[in-house]
Amino acid sequence: LAKTTQPISMDSYEGQEVNITCSHNNIATNDYITWYQQFPSQGPRFIIQGYKTKVTNEVASLFIPADRKSSTLSLPRVSLSDTAVYYCLVGVPEDSWGKLQFGAGTQVVVTP
Amino acid sequence: KAGVTQTPRYLIKTRGQQVTLSCSPISGHRSVSWYQQTPGQGLQFLFEYFSETQRNKGNFPGRFSGRQFSNSRSEMNVSTLELGDSALYLCASSDMDSYYEQYFGPGTRLTVT
Repeated sequence: LAKTTQPISMDSYEGQEVNITCSHNNIATNDYITWYQQFPSQGPRFIIQGYKTKVTNEVASLFIPADRKSSTLSLPRVSLSDTAVYYCLVGVPEDSWGKLQFGAGTQVVVTP
Repeated sequence: KAGVTQTPRYLIKTRGQQVTLSCSPISGHRSVSWYQQTPGQGLQFLFEYFSETQRNKGNFPGRFSGRQFSNSRSEMNVSTLELGDSALYLCASSDMDSYYEQYFGPGTRLTVT
């Protein structure tokens, strides 16, 4: 599984866009990029997954450059309820057999 | 569909005791994974079960064990509890086509005194 590096913390104000960049220099050809969100005292929640270019859903967008050595999770117009830890994961489902390898994640704090 | 449920939600045990935690996956999900979360080590994978078979195991001592039943419900057991076993234990389920999209339960908060 590819190692990932992401900022430890980020602060934002309500209504702003938050962009979290994850570095994964040794990503393999078959690896997917997946992001999870975790609120205090809850289990993580799947946000988005992508392989290349851009993926968007109702919660976030995921931007992946051509070399795939990094990815950026974009949270548009954040609210206080977006305060959470965000994890970037890289790997291939078939290799993992149910194992998600979480790093330290990025603590995002949204203030009024 | 109902989400992943875990029981009990909170548990206090003393050192040396053993504990059993239970997890009911989302209906139709046959893969169940267990994780331990602590402030110091973060989220760490314990093991994964599919069709009553353990397919993957993390780097934990043999005191940590689990099993899965024919209805996909799973239990994990920790024997000879240590203070360092205090943690949030999370269970997650997924279907066969999307192992990376796991659905987590609320967790069981275990405190060992």
